[in-house]
Amino acid sequence: AQKVTQAQTEISVVEKEDVTLDCVYETRDTTYYLFWYKQPPSGELVFLIRRNSFDEQNEISGRYSWNFQKSTSSFNFTITASQVVDSAVYFCALKYNFNKFYFGSGTKLNVKP
Amino acid sequence: NAGVTQTPKFRVLKTGQSMTLLCAQDMNHEYMYWYRQDPGMGLRLIHYSVGEGTTAKGEVPDGYNVSRLKKQNFLLGLESAAPSQTSVYFCASKHPGTSGEHTDTQYFGPGTRLTVL
Repeated sequence: AQKVTQAQTEISVVEKEDVTLDCVYETRDTTYYLFWYKQPPSGELVFLIRRNSFDEQNEISGRYSWNFQKSTSSFNFTITASQVVDSAVYFCALKYNFNKFYFGSGTKLNVKP
Repeated sequence: NAGVTQTPKFRVLKTGQSMTLLCAQDMNHEYMYWYRQDPGMGLRLIHYSVGEGTTAKGEVPDGYNVSRLKKQNFLLGLESAAPSQTSVYFCASKHPGTSGEHTDTQYFGPGTRLTVL
């Protein structure tokens, strides 16, 4: 069975703090893909990153970085020096069975000035 | 390019009424998806389509039907709406490719907020 767990329902930080959002997944597929999406208060879903199961290299994009560890089935997302504009709900997602996607329940990040 | 558009943006139904949500994309994507988003539950896949004329069930298909008569459009129907179908509905589309920067990237519409009384 497929499953994506985002145990942190809501996180509050003060601007400029670093914050890590956790994502743990389960799948029987040997080839799979993991994603992070951002949903700001306006409601649209914005793609952030895609990672396939064969590529465990960490990725950095500006203030964003992602740590993929197959050994612990985790795909964590870190925002460095958070800003108020980072306030949003962040979803981790798993692509399985060739065409289906399973989303976690999301982590709401509040960044206070 | 408009990307992915959804019609309508808001709708209020009474229990038992029917309606159709329209999703349109102008990116020539093969795959299209319908999700519902409920508080604290993330997005759940209702139905999806891998091409014109095809549809398949997702995680929560009961109470919904879909049709993909044209490649650019994916319709979601509620035959007899129930209060449990109150939700925000998102449509998404993507390329089927196996490589490249945008492979498997889903592009989402702005959502339709549906309330069933």
